[in-house]
Amino acid sequence: EAGVAQSPRYKIIEKRQSVAFWCNPISGHATLYWYQQILGQGPKLLIQFQNNGVVDDSQLPKDRFSAERLKGVDSTLKIQPAKLEDSAVYLCASSVAQTENEQFFGPGTRLTVL
Amino acid sequence: DAKTTQPPSMDCAEGRAANLPCNHSTISGNEYVYWYRQIHSQGPQYIIHGLKNNETNEMASLIITEDRKSSTLILPHATLRDTAVYYCIVKGVAGANNLFFGTGTRLTVIP
Repeated sequence: EAGVAQSPRYKIIEKRQSVAFWCNPISGHATLYWYQQILGQGPKLLIQFQNNGVVDDSQLPKDRFSAERLKGVDSTLKIQPAKLEDSAVYLCASSVAQTENEQFFGPGTRLTVL
Repeated sequence: DAKTTQPPSMDCAEGRAANLPCNHSTISGNEYVYWYRQIHSQGPQYIIHGLKNNETNEMASLIITEDRKSSTLILPHATLRDTAVYYCIVKGVAGANNLFFGTGTRLTVIP
């Protein structure tokens, strides 16, 4: 079965610019997650969707980050405007259901903000 | 969710068993122990999880102490491809399915 797809794999922007990341979860997975992983740290959850509704966005910096999953399938995470500290790998994951034990992760998008 | 403590790094000889410890002394009765690993430049990968009984699958074994305050992930015959950061995570089944990743243990399998 196809895994979680993410694009782009790498992105370099200057501070104050905008950037968007795309994620296509595994077919049939109702729950989708976006994580931020700063170099040397473990991933940190930014937002969790159940179908097209938000379950948890308590760690999302809402003044600059936004995410949507309009049709309950693929999702977009946007940063506007970017700051230097946003340099990180952005990981998308999906699971069959919210209570499912196993999350499947994509390869991530490495963002560098100059 | 309860927090976990893991050694920052470990080495293991190829072909030998790798035993990765994790302390979770504040775990509550309905919280599971999960293990994920992250190979360089890849996303995390689920390995195994358990509540109180020992568990085994095709990748690893999970040994949980009787008081559930610690656990050990065992890779029975480590290969070079097992070199990765291993995360021990404690999580309940209710509420949001948030995985709290600490800094994990960097396992290096040596030829």
